[in-house]
Amino acid sequence: GNSVTQMEGPVTLSEEAFLTINCTYTATGYPSLFWYVQYPGEGLQLLLKATKADDKGSNKGFEATYRKETTSFHLEKGSVQVSDSAVYFCALSGITGGFKTIFGAGTRLFVKA
Amino acid sequence: NAGVTQTPKFQVLKTGQSMTLQCAQDMNHNSMYWYRQDPGMGLRLIYYSASEGTTDKGEVPNGYNVSRLNKREFSLRLESAAPSQTSVYFCATIAGGLQETQYFGPGTRLLVL
Repeated sequence: GNSVTQMEGPVTLSEEAFLTINCTYTATGYPSLFWYVQYPGEGLQLLLKATKADDKGSNKGFEATYRKETTSFHLEKGSVQVSDSAVYFCALSGITGGFKTIFGAGTRLFVKA
Repeated sequence: NAGVTQTPKFQVLKTGQSMTLQCAQDMNHNSMYWYRQDPGMGLRLIYYSASEGTTDKGEVPNGYNVSRLNKREFSLRLESAAPSQTSVYFCATIAGGLQETQYFGPGTRLLVL
């Protein structure tokens, strides 16, 4: 079936370190892929998205590339800040015959000053 | 614009009590969704409403009912609360198709004793 798998957290980094959060998916059809971010006490908000293979989504220094051959959508940032501490969710939607968005379990990121 | 609002922010119930979670949006979006968020499980869809006047079950509908009162409002009702329904509940909207961004409310934290 359709699913999203993210690396387990928490991930703890020092400020200015490089971030990678892995995300792989299984889906029928041609899904759109998303990264959402959830700051403490808030709802999820879109961080970036890609709607077709080889597209790169980017926002606030974060990037992710839609890799159909490896069914992946890994999130990267070159230099994290304390303010990036949050929970990050990979998600897919637009699958064949599907009516919903499928979310990964979320990866909590802590960034230390 | 308030976006997506939810009330209450926090609620404590005893087993067997009932309550309604309210969601309203001022974004003129057609589709509205109710999710629950549990640790390590991402977001799971409870019910959704593709348009005013329609509602459909998601992956975890048991124990819940919904009402799409009008285009703006989508409520979630727990008729007889159980401890297993302790969770954080999020309402979300989408303007059009599922390949578009979802907009989330701030969430309702529910504790069932």
